[in-house]
Amino acid sequence: QVHLVQSGAEVRKPGTSVKVSCKTSGYTFTNYDINWVRQATGQGLEWMGWMNPDSGDTGFAQRFQGRVTMTRDISISTAYMEVSSLRSEDTAVYYCTRNPRYTSSHDYWGQGTPVTVSS
Amino acid sequence: QSVLTQPPSVSAAPGQKVTISCSGTSSNIGRNFVCWYRLRPGTAPELLIYESNKRPSGIPDRFSGSTSGTSATLGITGLQTGDEADYYCGTWDNSLSAGVFGGGTKLTVL
Repeated sequence: QVHLVQSGAEVRKPGTSVKVSCKTSGYTFTNYDINWVRQATGQGLEWMGWMNPDSGDTGFAQRFQGRVTMTRDISISTAYMEVSSLRSEDTAVYYCTRNPRYTSSHDYWGQGTPVTVSS
Repeated sequence: QSVLTQPPSVSAAPGQKVTISCSGTSSNIGRNFVCWYRLRPGTAPELLIYESNKRPSGIPDRFSGSTSGTSATLGITGLQTGDEADYYCGTWDNSLSAGVFGGGTKLTVL
């Protein structure tokens, strides 16, 4: 079965950064894109960006460009998403998702990683 | 403010049918497939419908999807209390070059 297992909850101060991992299993890591989606408390889903684990190519929602980095380690089938210059509005649950290439369909989701930004 | 527009809430009795609408524009729903997702507290979000009207394996045929122009609809028949959840539509927006979601609809099974 396909599984995406994310790293645990994080607490950070404003201005710092956080890196969330997403370990995948049950499929060929390089054959599907990884997307990241977040949900702030009481808010809807917000798409952040995508990464092609095979090529390393990435694309981001405009509001995250320059502040979000997506990387991967193919040897351990793991994707990473780092957000820098954190502010309180970044407090949210962050999800990694698997996407068939060239689609916006998030067919499998990680369990989510709560990130709290507070001074 | 979400790019796609959904009603904040819908409700219906057990056994009944409910529909959830998702309104967009010619740059998103009008040009791309729509997906529907279910979010329940304490569990990972789940894909219910992809390519606007297809169900992944394991999703019962009580769930259906359709599109017309710049709108999409999720239908759920034979409602069960376990269907209570938040439902989101999502697609790609060609103008934004970004994935987009609706604001979510809370389903209550009375």
